[in-house]
Amino acid sequence: GAVVSQHPSRVICKSGTSVKIECRSLDFQATTMFWYRQFPKQSLMLMATSNEGSKATYEQGVEKDKFLINHASLTLSTLTVTSAHPEDSSFYICSARVGGEVDGYTFGSGTRLTVV
Amino acid sequence: GQNIDQPTEMTATEGAIVQINCTYQTSGFNGLFWYQQHAGEAPTFLSYNVLDGLEEKGRFSSFLSRSKGYSYLLLKELQMKDSASYLCAPMDSNYQLIWGAGTKLIIKP
Repeated sequence: GAVVSQHPSRVICKSGTSVKIECRSLDFQATTMFWYRQFPKQSLMLMATSNEGSKATYEQGVEKDKFLINHASLTLSTLTVTSAHPEDSSFYICSARVGGEVDGYTFGSGTRLTVV
Repeated sequence: GQNIDQPTEMTATEGAIVQINCTYQTSGFNGLFWYQQHAGEAPTFLSYNVLDGLEEKGRFSSFLSRSKGYSYLLLKELQMKDSASYLCAPMDSNYQLIWGAGTKLIIKP
């Protein structure tokens, strides 16, 4: 089946620094990537939807200048958390979809971000 | 608005059967997914229903009634490794998944 590789799995960074999270579709081309954030014991919260070659669509309340998304190719999407603060500490997960195929909803393994 | 309703937590015994119910309200409907999520890990796909009825896949089965906005996940022959959160996620008219907080399933020996 479709596999999405997400790195890093865990990262600890200092407040004020930036962190980049990568998601790669290994055996398919992901025209659409979804970026989620999940706080403990809460549901997945969609942050943004990225389409290859175009600007990401951000959900209401998500700062696009703080959470930079780049989907430059059909196999790679990145999320950069800029000027990270402790409240950005969370579990970030990407999900990819292949065109309109529902089978293509595959999740990366997630990134646990801790900002100290 | 869009809404998902699942029990917050359920407890079952190893070897038994458990049914996790989900009711939903969405803007349009393009099917419903069930995902399993272990603590600290990303969700993994379990099932997808788009037509009414029961879909069986090994120990797991999923049922959908579109007219009632209702689905359930049935887990048979429960194993300790089935302890996880189970997420019901309908897909709306924009093909976006709508997420609830999920049901935490605790399996006891």
